[in-house]
Amino acid sequence: NAGVTQTPKFRVLKTGQSMTLLCAQDMNHEYMYWYRQDPGMGLRLIHYSVGEGTTAKGEVPDGYNVSRLKKQNFLLGLESAAPSQTSVYFCASSFRDWRSYEQYFGPGTRLTVT
Amino acid sequence: TQLLEQSPQFLSIQEGENLTVYCNSSSVFSSLQWYRQEPGEGPVLLVTVVTGGEVKKLKRLTFQFGDARKDSSLHITAAQPGDTGLYLCAGPPFPKAAGNKLTFGGGTRVLVKP
Repeated sequence: NAGVTQTPKFRVLKTGQSMTLLCAQDMNHEYMYWYRQDPGMGLRLIHYSVGEGTTAKGEVPDGYNVSRLKKQNFLLGLESAAPSQTSVYFCASSFRDWRSYEQYFGPGTRLTVT
Repeated sequence: TQLLEQSPQFLSIQEGENLTVYCNSSSVFSSLQWYRQEPGEGPVLLVTVVTGGEVKKLKRLTFQFGDARKDSSLHITAAQPGDTGLYLCAGPPFPKAAGNKLTFGGGTRVLVKP
């Protein structure tokens, strides 16, 4: 049982390049989330999904797109990276029921945009 | 927007000392979660408190939810270097938000020196 895994762990991009971050969970969770964590800013929600085939915007969605084609996977895309997107990105998942507020996090992806 | 403010932002203590971290809001939360995040890792859920006035203990960690469900505290007794990390409080806003989104506090960085 791997929990929540993220790929890659580290990445350096040049401004304007694109990339996709992959999140996978094996806990059969319905809900999945993408956050970014910046010094002094805490965790901010980028996008989330309440089920396969559905996505919704969070607090800071601009410059990102997501897709959830399979229940266990949640992809975060950067179409044209900007230095302001330098951050640590975390994926999380949770159940839909009374346990839904207990989120399980992946190990993070550290992204640097130069 | 319901905010969670944590204090202090940073705490450095010697092994064996006690410490308390606070999580405050002007809004009511239906529950609060505490997470610990170690360097290079994702947050890990420690506990969920649900009832006003509730106290939960996890070995040397004591969590309390305020009577009015607007604040919470984490007390560590006889801290050890293994307690070092970033402590985050989080909670679902009231009324409930779509996707069961959480509001996160800014975190308290705890350093326990041997």
